[in-house]
Amino acid sequence: DVQLVESGGGLMQPGGSLRLSCVTSEFTSEFTFSTYNLNWLRQAPGKGLEWVSYIGGGYSIYYADSVKGRFTISRDNAKRSLFLQINSLTADDTAVYYCATDRDWAFDHWGRGTLVTVSS
Amino acid sequence: QSALTQPASMSGSPGQSITISCTGTSSDVGNYDRVSWYQHYPGKGPKLIIYEDTKRPSGVSDRFSGSKSGNTASLTISGLQAEDEADYSCCSYAGPITWVFGGGTKLTVL
Repeated sequence: DVQLVESGGGLMQPGGSLRLSCVTSEFTSEFTFSTYNLNWLRQAPGKGLEWVSYIGGGYSIYYADSVKGRFTISRDNAKRSLFLQINSLTADDTAVYYCATDRDWAFDHWGRGTLVTVSS
Repeated sequence: QSALTQPASMSGSPGQSITISCTGTSSDVGNYDRVSWYQHYPGKGPKLIIYEDTKRPSGVSDRFSGSKSGNTASLTISGLQAEDEADYSCCSYAGPITWVFGGGTKLTVL
């Protein structure tokens, strides 16, 4: 089964930046990982889930309108890793951030998430 | 405000069936056969339980079923069990390469 582990969250200052990472199992081959469509999603306290960004196996990239211009998604297939760079943090970015694979238009494997708190 | 509308909470007794609704628009739920449902326990990642409106991933109990009519999708859980107490979220593909979620439904098993 696909295992995903996020990291990089924490308490951040408004206006700051951070880079979230998501790694998959060491037993996943680079080739297999390269075929995954990968996504970042988030859930703010007391709110529903929100899709944030997508990067396909062919490196096509999409963002939710709410994060365009501040978020950058990337992947490193050799390291079996997914990244999310977030700039100009605001309190509205406070959330648990999840990475997930998607297949058949649904998110079929998820990590446990990493909490990002933006507060002064 | 979430794009899809779900009841904030529902409850049921063991053995009963419950149905959670998820209402969208003709641009998302009503336009694609791509509604998915997720079961979410605190501190864990969500688990996919229904995709493409009605399909169950391998390993998901057949007590979970999905349906859709127009702009409203539904998740039915039959034979409620204590372990079903969790949050349930619906999601619809809203193309191109964008998804919208509901606000989530907290299910309590009495």
